[in-house]
Amino acid sequence: DTEVTQTPKHLVMGMTNKKSLKCEQHMGHRAMYWYKQKAKKPPELMFVYSYEKLSINESVPSRFSPECPNSSLLNLHLHALQPEDSALYLCASSQDLSGRSRYEQYFGPGTRLTVT
Amino acid sequence: GNSVTQMEGPVTLSEEAFLTINCTYTATGYPSLFWYVQYPGEGLQLLLKATKADDKGSNKGFEATYRKETTSFHLEKGSVQVSDSAVYFCALSLWIGANSKLTFGKGITLSVRP
Repeated sequence: DTEVTQTPKHLVMGMTNKKSLKCEQHMGHRAMYWYKQKAKKPPELMFVYSYEKLSINESVPSRFSPECPNSSLLNLHLHALQPEDSALYLCASSQDLSGRSRYEQYFGPGTRLTVT
Repeated sequence: GNSVTQMEGPVTLSEEAFLTINCTYTATGYPSLFWYVQYPGEGLQLLLKATKADDKGSNKGFEATYRKETTSFHLEKGSVQVSDSAVYFCALSLWIGANSKLTFGKGITLSVRP
């Protein structure tokens, strides 16, 4: 099973709201990623968690706050977003303990975020 | 630095036509190479991969061969279907510290006419 799930599928929020995106995988992967994708563009890496610790932050504004409660879950907390933050947010995972899936990343379906 | 260059799109083909999508890369190490596909309104799906020179990845009738001498990983399919209409991303992966990091090409939109 190579499934990564994300909720919600769609989210509309105002600039003063606080919301969270959730991602879950049950493949035993130890690395999890958040990406932002604008229309007709490739995904842009935001954060990487490795063994539940934040490993990479690609200079993302502090209004985006990631959290990894355990090895299967990844959250992205959103606060005081701007309209230009509207995009598809993708979660991905890779690297299981046996060494399989070391290089490829498996993506979830994404959350379509609209900031009004 | 690392980069992936894909041919300019979009590409429009008739059903059963032959497909080639070009992809070349520049990398500071020895990367793994991937093709991802994104159908409308969905996330990215791993289509195929190759982890070393001369490896051929294949899936769903698509193929790509890792050519180290030409730093290329071109995607081919002998007979496309309407259901293949999607955006295709070529990508490379390298270890950066303790993590593997994907570098994507710009993507190319494929439309297949009945």
